[in-house]
Amino acid sequence: SQTIHQWPATLVQPVGSPLSLECTVEGTSNPNLYWYRQAAGRGLQLLFYSIGIDQISSEVPQNLSASRPQDRQFILSSKKLLLSDSGFYLCAWSHKTGLNTEAFFGQGTRLTVV
Amino acid sequence: AQSVTQPDIHITVSEGASLELRCNYSYGATPYLFWYVQSPGQGLQLLLKYFSGDTLVQGIKGFEAEFKRSQSSFNLRKPSVHWSDAAEYFCAVGSTGFQKLVFGTGTRLLVSP
Repeated sequence: SQTIHQWPATLVQPVGSPLSLECTVEGTSNPNLYWYRQAAGRGLQLLFYSIGIDQISSEVPQNLSASRPQDRQFILSSKKLLLSDSGFYLCAWSHKTGLNTEAFFGQGTRLTVV
Repeated sequence: AQSVTQPDIHITVSEGASLELRCNYSYGATPYLFWYVQSPGQGLQLLLKYFSGDTLVQGIKGFEAEFKRSQSSFNLRKPSVHWSDAAEYFCAVGSTGFQKLVFGTGTRLLVSP
């Protein structure tokens, strides 16, 4: 069966520090991968999605970047965190086109920038 | 572009009472529609999904949703709410082809004894 791992679960970082959140998927190949951010009262905002290695699309301009160095690995990064980067970050994956195209989510990372 | 509206930010329901959470979507083609549930500090779990066919969809935990194209709605229902249903519920719409979900802002369900 497929599983998705996301870490760390919580993170407190000072303003101006770098960020690296990692997400890996097991039990499937060539998945679509996603990074979402959840802010209070704002639902889930799609930040990045990827259809393949080194193929990243950004949905909103921001202080963050994403990379996909391997088929089942998706990394969210920042060179210098801002206070506004605080939030709950969720990684997700989905199959390519077909009937089973819902997204499967990791447990999330709570990022607090201080 | 796709969009989803969940007009109710909070809903309080008595345990044992029925529940309906509203969801309206905007999408030019046939949508893929989803309801997810999120417990505090956790990821999202899929409750049910609609792709095509029967417009009344059954999901896990006794939930169901009805797709109404004429109203652009996909409301979630449960006949009898349990205290464990207290959580945040998200409606989402996906596009055909590449599956990029757009979520609503969520509805927080509180269950009173």
